[in-house]
Amino acid sequence: EAQVTQNPRYLITVTGKKLTVTCSQNMNHEYMSWYRQDPGLGLRQIYYSMNVEVTDKGDVPEGYKVSRKEKRNFPLILESPSPNQTSLYFCASSLQAGNEQFFGPGTRLTVL
Amino acid sequence: SQQGEEDPQALSIQEGENATMNCSYKTSINNLQWYRQNSGRGLVHLILIRSNEREKHSGRLRVTLDTSKKSSSLLITASRAADTASYFCATDAWSNTGKLIFGQGTTLQVKP
Repeated sequence: EAQVTQNPRYLITVTGKKLTVTCSQNMNHEYMSWYRQDPGLGLRQIYYSMNVEVTDKGDVPEGYKVSRKEKRNFPLILESPSPNQTSLYFCASSLQAGNEQFFGPGTRLTVL
Repeated sequence: SQQGEEDPQALSIQEGENATMNCSYKTSINNLQWYRQNSGRGLVHLILIRSNEREKHSGRLRVTLDTSKKSSSLLITASRAADTASYFCATDAWSNTGKLIFGQGTTLQVKP
C-alpha cells in the first residue's frame, strides 16, 4: 500500500531532550516536507527536500533540523525541544514539487 | 504568511444537501489544491486545479478557480455524514519550492 508513515504517533517529552520523528514513504517520491499544525495558525511548512541530499528551510525552521540521506526517509530532529514546539506534525511527500502531496498520519508532540 | 482564506469557517448542513466552501488567496499561483482532514488525522488530497484550468470534477466534488478574482470554490454535492471533516485549500505559488500555503480551513458538519 502506498503510504507515508511517521513514528512515533504520540510523544510526551521534556524540555531539552533531543528527539527524532521519523518519516518514510514507499512511493519513490522526490519531494518531501514537514509541516506543523497549530490552532489558529493552520499548517506551516518547517523544512522541505527536493531530492536526496537537498533540503531547505520552510516558513518556521527555527529549532528543527532535517536530513535526506535516502530517498524514502526524511527525519525531523529537535535538538533541544521547547514547549513552543508542542504541536501536531505532519510529513508529506509528492512525486515532484508542485504535485499533490500525500500526508502521513501525524505525530502529536507535547514538550513539558 | 497566510495565503488562503476560507469562507465560511464553519458549515452545518443536512445529509443530502450541497456544501460550498470558498477560498481566496493573494499571490499568483501555479496550482490550488483542496485537502480534507478528519479530526486530528492526516490530510487527504482531494483535487488539484492548475492556474490555466477553470473547473474540475472528481466524483461528488466540483472545484472552480477564478484567477482574476484569486478565488476558488469547492462544492460537495449530495453530502453524506462521512463528509464531516475540515476542508483546506492550499496554494502552490510559482516558487519552485513545492511549498503549499494552507488556509485556515472550513469545518463541515453533515447531520444524518
